Amino acid sequence: GQNIDQPTEMTATEGAIVQINCTYQTSGFNGLFWYQQHAGEAPTFLSYNVLDGLEEKGRFSSFLSRSKGYSYLLLKELQMKDSASYLCAVSATDSNYQLIWGAGTKLIIKP
Amino acid sequence: KAGVTQTPRYLIKTRGQQVTLSCSPISGHRSVSWYQQTPGQGLQFLFEYFSETQRNKGNFPGRFSGRQFSNSRSEMNVSTLELGDSALYLCASSLISGPNQPQHFGDGTRLSIL
Repeated sequence: GQNIDQPTEMTATEGAIVQINCTYQTSGFNGLFWYQQHAGEAPTFLSYNVLDGLEEKGRFSSFLSRSKGYSYLLLKELQMKDSASYLCAVSATDSNYQLIWGAGTKLIIKP
Repeated sequence: KAGVTQTPRYLIKTRGQQVTLSCSPISGHRSVSWYQQTPGQGLQFLFEYFSETQRNKGNFPGRFSGRQFSNSRSEMNVSTLELGDSALYLCASSLISGPNQPQHFGDGTRLSIL
């Protein structure tokens, strides 16, 4: 079956670095997305990985290892506005390419 | 460029009633997907429409239905509402239908069933 696992909640300090992990079990992997969702707001697209390796985009980077069924989102130079939920979603053939979503990781940034 | 617009933002209904939610995608986007979001669970896929045709459907009962109009606007209908239907319903649009297309979400309709 399909399964996406993320930590429920993480806490980090302003200015620090945090890594949010996502593990998945699917058949026919076709890509992995990360979205950010502030409380009461719409999810917004952060990154997309389909090949192994690191994709860097400003303060945010996303890594994928298809053989391990593993991804992480790395946030550097944390700011208070980064307090949000971070959603991992996987596209696969066994879900007819529809996204399977993790429950999200709530990131709390402390001064 | 206007984002995805969902109406209404909030809705309170009672069990047994029906409800219709509306979604206007970003101009030029032809694919619209609907999701249900509840606390502690990931987004659950309801269905996707592209060019007025349902392309995919999630594992929800037949009480959940939808449609898409020629201008790409979409509606979702839930009949015979149950307490468990209380959730945030999100609509997302993308330029085309495809597994690698980033989705642009609306702010959602928060549905409460009493």
